Amino acid sequence: GQQVMQIPQYQHVQEGEDFTTYCNSSTTLSNIQWYKQRPGGHPVFLIQLVKSGEVKKQKRLTFQFGEAKKNSSLHITATQTTDVGTYFCSMGNYQLIWGAGTKLIIKP
Amino acid sequence: DVKVTQSSRYLVKRTGEKVFLECVQDMDHENMFWYRQDPGLGLRLIYFSYDVKMKEKGDIPEGYSVSREKKERFSLILESASTNQTSMYLCASRTYAGSSYNEQFFGPGTRLTVL
Repeated sequence: GQQVMQIPQYQHVQEGEDFTTYCNSSTTLSNIQWYKQRPGGHPVFLIQLVKSGEVKKQKRLTFQFGEAKKNSSLHITATQTTDVGTYFCSMGNYQLIWGAGTKLIIKP
Repeated sequence: DVKVTQSSRYLVKRTGEKVFLECVQDMDHENMFWYRQDPGLGLRLIYFSYDVKMKEKGDIPEGYSVSREKKERFSLILESASTNQTSMYLCASRTYAGSSYNEQFFGPGTRLTVL
């Protein structure tokens, strides 16, 4: 069946450093969605990518969808404490399949 | 403001008990979902419902059943709770817009502990 691998599981950064999480699928995707879950909270939708090679930006967040539509990335520039949480990718239309998430931890 | 509510934030039950988790959405969404979330495993789909009285099994339906008698309400039932069902349970809903599905809106979650 369709699977998605999300890496890394954790990323520790100093505040101000960049952060990136990657999702890779075994099959071609119709679309991919990204969600953020703050500690103690629930997942909140960030964005959906649909087109091959698509790049979308939200302030310091950059989302990319691979040319072959089999992978995607989320990059955060100059992390802030408000970015702390777990970032998930989710793919599919009818039934969604979720990556395991990447936890962004800011070093004290 | 869109809203998905779940009946309890925290629940403690004993092994063998029947457990009901309720989810209500006020957005008139067609699709509703039940997930469980465990550390390092992401969100795993238990069941989803694409419309009233309709249901489909997700990845881990064993030990669970669901009910959707009204569009706004989706219930998850643990027929006989076991300790391995201790987890965070998340409900979500979404609507269908023409040729694609929109984003999922999540409830706050129910942290269930089975002793």
